[in-house]
Formats: sequence, C-alpha cells, structure tokens
Amino acid sequence: GAGVSQSPSNKVTEKGKDVELRCDPISGHTALYWYRQSLGQGLEFLIYFQGNSAPDKSGLPSDRFSAERTGGSVSTLTIQRTQQEDSAVYLCASSLLSGGYNEQFFGPGTRLTVL
Amino acid sequence: AQKITQTQPGMFVQEKEAVTLDCTYDTSDPSYGLFWYKQPSSGEMIFLIYQGSYDQQNATEGRYSLNFQKARKSANLVISASQLGDSAMYFCAMREQRSQGNLIFGKGTKLSVKP
Repeated sequence: GAGVSQSPSNKVTEKGKDVELRCDPISGHTALYWYRQSLGQGLEFLIYFQGNSAPDKSGLPSDRFSAERTGGSVSTLTIQRTQQEDSAVYLCASSLLSGGYNEQFFGPGTRLTVL
Repeated sequence: AQKITQTQPGMFVQEKEAVTLDCTYDTSDPSYGLFWYKQPSSGEMIFLIYQGSYDQQNATEGRYSLNFQKARKSANLVISASQLGDSAMYFCAMREQRSQGNLIFGKGTKLSVKP
C-alpha cells in the first residue's frame, strides 16, 4: 500500500512569502505528526493531530506557523511571512493510533529553502 | 535539559563487525517507549526497533538489538555484522506516555561502514 506522501518535495521561496506544505498520511492512520529537521540536526516536533484536532501544538516555533487537518486525512502546514531560519526539511509522519507502541511512518519530507 | 542524548556525532566500523551506538534519556514519566530510526542519505526515516519501559527483555530485530539499561537510562543500539548499506544517520527517540504521541529525538550519530 501507499506510504506517507508529501508535496512539494522541494520548495524555494523568498523571505516574507507564505508557503503551504502538504501531507497525505497512510489511509486509516488516525494520528499525524509534523517535524522539522534543520541541517545536520535531529528532528524537532512541531504539531500532532488526532483525527482533525490538534491536542498538542506546543512545538510550533511562532504564530507564523499553523496547521490543519481535514477529513481525518490530509494535513497542511502553513508558514506565513517566511524567514531564512525557517529553511529546513519538514517531515510528516502518521501512525495508526497515538501513544504506546505505534510506529510512526515518515514521509520523504519537503525541503524548504527561504532565500 | 536534553531529553535524548547521543554523544557520538560520528562512528566508524569495519564491515562485518558489530557496533554500538549510544543513547541516554531523561524522563520522569514511568511509562515511555524508546525508538531507533535510520536515516540514509536519501533522507527517509526508517524505523528499526522499539523498547517499551516495562519490557522485561531487550528488543531484537534481525541484526539490530537494543541494550536497555533502565536504571542507567540508556538504550544503546547494537548492530551486528555491519554491512556497507548500514552507513547512515541513526536517531534515538523517546515517546513519553504523557505526551500523547510525539517523539523526542536525539541529534543523531553518523555511522560509516568501511569495506
């Protein structure tokens, strides 16, 4: 079956522009996660969805970042007024359920470059 | 304070030998899970192995085993019979029960397997 997909795979934008990153989780997975990986670093948690609700938004670095999930499926991460420090790979993961031993399956990521 | 510490930024191992990648963690949650992921140069995150805090035995998965020492709060990954394809970044991650699902990652160890 299909894994987690993300689009676009690469995005180059100018400072100050808004960007939208999309994640299609594995069908039937109720939990969805967004992470950010800066060059040479580990993954930094951004936000988590259970169904369409986001019980944990603690990782969003600023109010320029927002995310939504519709239909318990596709999620969009929006970054407004992008800054150069937003340049990173944005990874999405999904799991059947949240918590415990529920393996998170990762997408290939979106590489965002802010000029 | 760092919740996941990987003290080895880079490691070298000879092909066919075993290697241990270190990971220590910090949590006050009595219920947690520990994960190891592999990230090749292509960028995808590949799940390797999981250890629950209440598991009595060390987890094993093929050539991967987890040396879980709860009192020391360490969860080292052991790769036996290294192969050239094992060259990658390796990330240790923890999920705390109270977090509802997101993973906390270490900064990773870059493993290079020499022929």
